Amino acid sequence: DVKVTQSSRYLVKRTGEKVFLECVQDMDHENMFWYRQDPGLGLRLIYFSYDVKMKEKGDIPEGYSVSREKKERFSLILESASTNQTSMYLCASSPASTGDQPQHFGDGTRLSIL
Amino acid sequence: TQLLEQSPQFLSIQEGENLTVYCNSSSVFSSLQWYRQEPGEGPVLLVTVVTGGEVKKLKRLTFQFGDARKDSSLHITAAQPGDTGLYLCAGAEGGYQKVTFGTGTKLQVIP
Repeated sequence: DVKVTQSSRYLVKRTGEKVFLECVQDMDHENMFWYRQDPGLGLRLIYFSYDVKMKEKGDIPEGYSVSREKKERFSLILESASTNQTSMYLCASSPASTGDQPQHFGDGTRLSIL
Repeated sequence: TQLLEQSPQFLSIQEGENLTVYCNSSSVFSSLQWYRQEPGEGPVLLVTVVTGGEVKKLKRLTFQFGDARKDSSLHITAAQPGDTGLYLCAGAEGGYQKVTFGTGTKLQVIP
């Protein structure tokens, strides 16, 4: 069965810290995505990657960066965490091809920045 | 950035009632997906519709894609407590791997 695993379910960090969120998928999918989810705003795309070492900005990339050194792993980095980055973060993967392929999600990381 | 507005934002109904959730945009999509997210979990795909006017049924759930491929609806017949969750629509633009998610509809079905 398809599996997307996010390294932490809950994370508490302080303002100014560098934060790493890790995501691993076991489906050999080409595409991987990072979203943040806030009430009333749905899911907003931060970054996505369609191949190893490739990345594309999503709708809200400011304050974030990503790394994809291996096909199965996609990391989200908060360079200097701020309180407005407190949110639920969701990682997803999908096969290559167009957007009508289903995305498979992890269970999310609830990040609090104090 | 294409926007997908869902309505209503919240819905609380009694078990056995029917309901409809709407997903609207001013943009055309090549396909549209519906996901359900339960508390503490990531969204899970329910259905993908790809043809204007298409209707798909999944047990008590009926999904419709608008003729112009700008909107979609989800109708639930005789809602059950197990239908409780956050429903998200997501539209795909042709030729791109990413989708745009809607604002979400939080459904609570009371036993």
